[in-house]
Amino acid sequence: DSGVTQTPKHLITATGQRVTLRCSPRSGDLSVYWYQQSLDQGLQFLIQYYNGEERAKGNILERFSAQQFPDLHSELNLSSLELGDSALYFCASSDRQGRDNEQFFGPGTRLTVL
Amino acid sequence: GQQLNQSPQSMFIQEGEDVSMNCTSSSIFNTWLWYKQDPGEGPVLLIALYKAGELTSNGRLTAQFGITRKDSFLNISASIPSDVGIYFCAGPPVNFGNEKLTFGTGTRLTIIP
Repeated sequence: DSGVTQTPKHLITATGQRVTLRCSPRSGDLSVYWYQQSLDQGLQFLIQYYNGEERAKGNILERFSAQQFPDLHSELNLSSLELGDSALYFCASSDRQGRDNEQFFGPGTRLTVL
Repeated sequence: GQQLNQSPQSMFIQEGEDVSMNCTSSSIFNTWLWYKQDPGEGPVLLIALYKAGELTSNGRLTAQFGITRKDSFLNISASIPSDVGIYFCAGPPVNFGNEKLTFGTGTRLTIIP
């Protein structure tokens, strides 16, 4: 158990809909990262937040957005969903004070868009 | 974008055999990380390397940070059934921001009964 929690575990929705994925980082970690893993694809970095502020952006679509709240949990919002958005979405956290490259991953949310 | 190439792409071995895999990049890395992912689960950090030439062990796993800083290697000795999974290398390329990890293409390890 990495200490990172994600909800929900599974999500099934239809094209055009909007969903919100939630992540709670390890206790004390200030950085939260979001990744997308499609079938037969590696992990693609989407976005990073540090202590409530956006720190880095990767290949995140304009239809996707994220935020980190004062209690450090984060949400990833996916809107106008398309079939191709079906994937595993992972959240990771790291300790900025220590080895901040060592990211610890949650169990993921499996999104299925029908 | 940045890409880490892992080889082999897949491995089929018998229990008890040793395993070697590697990861190469065209860019320099200051950190190399090795993760293992089981089906439907999140990646689990196995080993972190921070210095060129560094050799670090975690039980039956040993990883090395290549001297050129453009590659890394992972060895698993005396494989057991729970070693099955996908192994990813990862790191923050020097020119792409210190915390943004790039992941390798993965090596899928299967143990033949």
